[in-house]
Amino acid sequence: SQQGEEDPQALSIQEGENATMNCSYKTSINNLQWYRQNSGRGLVHLILIRSNEREKHSGRLRVTLDTSKKSSSLLITASRAADTASYFCATALITQGGSEKLVFGKGTKLTVNP
Amino acid sequence: DGGITQSPKYLFRKEGQNVTLSCEQNLNHDAMYWYRQDPGQGLRLIYYSQIVNDFQKGDIAEGYSVSREKKESFPLTVTSAQKNPTAFYLCASSPTRRGGWTQYFGPGTRLLVL
Repeated sequence: SQQGEEDPQALSIQEGENATMNCSYKTSINNLQWYRQNSGRGLVHLILIRSNEREKHSGRLRVTLDTSKKSSSLLITASRAADTASYFCATALITQGGSEKLVFGKGTKLTVNP
Repeated sequence: DGGITQSPKYLFRKEGQNVTLSCEQNLNHDAMYWYRQDPGQGLRLIYYSQIVNDFQKGDIAEGYSVSREKKESFPLTVTSAQKNPTAFYLCASSPTRRGGWTQYFGPGTRLLVL
């Protein structure tokens, strides 16, 4: 089963508005990462937040992490049509061998209308 | 240019045929990964490798095989045992640094069954 689940599954907003996507997960994590995917392309890393961090910013992106609720949110401020993409949260788990592997949610499809 | 490349972009498989997807990186990353993505879904881990000549099964390894003879190369073979191979396949690599392993993705290979 999926470790991370994004909400909502789809989001449609107007250019200039803010977009908020949420992610919930089930087990303890080493860190949580957000990725973006344009249709038919590979994923691009956006931001990583460690389990001992609560908030992180990168440009127009703001990520929060609440380990007590096992949830994270991604906020994109002042959205642009170019932000149209699918956004995935990925929880990082440490394997028995010491590797770090990511478990991805199903994603939120964001459409920003001009 | 540094990056991760996948070839071919599209691949067609006939019934009972094995096919191999190529993944090459010149980022000097130790870890490499293979994922499968079905329409409207997140990524599922097939195999991963933390070091040359070593690899581990992911969540959906049945019907797939890999090798890691060189640091920069991690080919994936889809065998005839994989009964539903039609999907988008993504390769990724990451440095194994403390604090979180950010993954860098290739552009993907779309596999279709004839």
